[in-house]
Parts: sequence; structure tokens; C-alpha cells
Amino acid sequence: QQPVQSPQAVILREGEDAVINCSSSKALYSVHWYRQKHGEAPVFLMILLKGGEQKGHDKISASFNEKKQQSSLYLTASQLSYSGTYFCGTGNWAGNQFYFGTGTSLTVIP
Amino acid sequence: EAGVTQFPSHSVIEKGQTVTLRCDPISGHDNLYWYRRVMGKEIKFLLHFVKESKQDESGMPNNRFLAERTGGTYSTLKVQPAELEDSGVYFCASTDGNLYGYTFGSGTRLTVV
Repeated sequence: QQPVQSPQAVILREGEDAVINCSSSKALYSVHWYRQKHGEAPVFLMILLKGGEQKGHDKISASFNEKKQQSSLYLTASQLSYSGTYFCGTGNWAGNQFYFGTGTSLTVIP
Repeated sequence: EAGVTQFPSHSVIEKGQTVTLRCDPISGHDNLYWYRRVMGKEIKFLLHFVKESKQDESGMPNNRFLAERTGGTYSTLKVQPAELEDSGVYFCASTDGNLYGYTFGSGTRLTVV
């Protein structure tokens, strides 16, 4: 049930791009993306519901593939503030189940 | 709008003691979840309330953990007696429905020594 994320960790220099993947063996009803900074609460980034959907704001965007088994988070021209652990999460249609992915630690260095 | 509030922010207790964590969700959010993150690992689901009812408690580790949600408002999570492996950060989250993201509290960092 728990989605698998890759890579587990990534280090970037400011201005570089990154892609974080979230995969499931079963079709997902929805996929959420969150970012958690050390010692803080996970912060909601976006939710995707439809196969083939793409959405984003500023330089952070995400896609959900047609089969709804994979989502990718795209970070372009990374900034120091992007550092943190990124989690995807998936819920069911009833909203009574929600599981986080395995997490990706992203560090942006000057 | 006030966010999700958790109390205390930190707790250090000895093995065998009891600790109660509290979560105040966003007003009007029927869905309330408890999660735990241990040693920087993934965030594990503990349980889900819809109003005052436990919808899913499949993630609760064992019967030393007891969650309640009085009147469908705030929720408490009691650990009794605490063991060393219970250490971690306990997060509470609430949502208005399955089409929206979850709002998380800042968490309670529990350390059992």
C-alpha cells in the first residue's frame, strides 16, 4: 500500500533541477505531495486526481501518469529553501485511508 | 484560520510512564489522522477518525496506544506504558475531505528514556 519514492536522497546545487518519483503497484485514487523541513510539520504542496494530470506553481510542478500508478515532482532552478524531505501520499476515494511514500531527502547547497 | 495545534511540542518520559498527546484539528474538519515518524524514517499511519468514530486504526502498533476524539473535536493519543521504541515525532493532521490536502500540526517529539 505504501508508495515507493526514488531517489531516497539527492543533493543539488542552487539552480539545478530535480525529479522525485512516486510509484505504486496499484492504481492510485489520488496523489499528494508534501515537503517537510527538519523539526517542522509536513506542508501540503499539491494534489493530483486525474490520470495524465499535470499541475504546478512557481518552479514546482507534478504529473500523474495515465495509469495513475506513478507521479513525479519536478523542481526547477532549485533554491536553498527547497531543502527538506519530500513525501508523496495516496488516499482512497472514501478518504478513510491515506499512506505516505518512503520519502526523499533533498538538500540544496550554494 | 487557526491551523492544527498539537500539545506538547516535546515530551521526555521514562520507560513505563504514561504520556498523553493532544491534537486540536482545524475547526469543522471531520477527518483527523495520527501519524508517527520514527528516527527520520517514513511517516507511518496510526489511525483515522471521522468525527468521534475511529474509521481505521490498523496502524496502531499495539494495545499500549489508545486514541480518543471526544465529541468529534480534539483528539488525544495516550501511550501507556511507554517503551523505548515509542520514541519519535507524532503528527496529527486534519482535512475537509478526500479532495483536499491535509493540514498537519507541528508534531509532538516524544522521547522515551
